[in-house]
Amino acid sequence: DTGVSQDPRHKITKRGQNVTFRCDPISEHNRLYWYRQTLGQGPEFLTYFQNEAQLEKSRLLSDRFSAERPKGSFSTLEIQRTEQGDSAMYLCASGGGDGTDTQYFGPGTRLTVL
Amino acid sequence: GNSVTQMEGPVTLSEEAFLTINCTYTATGYPSLFWYVQYPGEGLQLLLKATKADDKGSNKGFEATYRKETTSFHLEKGSVQVSDSAVYFCALSTNAGKSTFGDGTTLTVKP
Repeated sequence: DTGVSQDPRHKITKRGQNVTFRCDPISEHNRLYWYRQTLGQGPEFLTYFQNEAQLEKSRLLSDRFSAERPKGSFSTLEIQRTEQGDSAMYLCASGGGDGTDTQYFGPGTRLTVL
Repeated sequence: GNSVTQMEGPVTLSEEAFLTINCTYTATGYPSLFWYVQYPGEGLQLLLKATKADDKGSNKGFEATYRKETTSFHLEKGSVQVSDSAVYFCALSTNAGKSTFGDGTTLTVKP
């Protein structure tokens, strides 16, 4: 069990550019979640997948955000036309391997939009 | 909707002091409750959990009891160490879906 991994760990981009993040969940987990965390706040839910199906999306997830999990394994989160307000830590979590609601978090991708 | 309210921080304690971090929640249905810890420069780690009323979660000397009647899940530790300095998040989850988090409580333990 290597845990949840995320790539890249840090991303600096200019406003208006597109960015894509990747998450590799724990291999036996069928659920995958994306959250956003800003300084001094708890993580806020963005979206989640059960296998390859995207089951829920937050109202926080504007049209500029899209997430995929094409084969039910890794997932990508893309932000188009980034804005300074998108600067945050993007967290991925996975769960479902033990029959409980427990989610296991990756280290996060810190996005800075200049 | 679901919500979690945590005791505001920061909390500063001396080593070996008793710790309580309050957490109350509002949820539809019967949530599972969690405490996560985030050490400086690291990701969120599950500290403990409880899945039904009156369950007690425990780990590394920390404990929390799921109190349905008061909708609370307060975190306690009898004797804190410097290494416990971190940010602690209370969270709930329903039906294996999204988790809802509190805003976190920063704990600093001084020697």
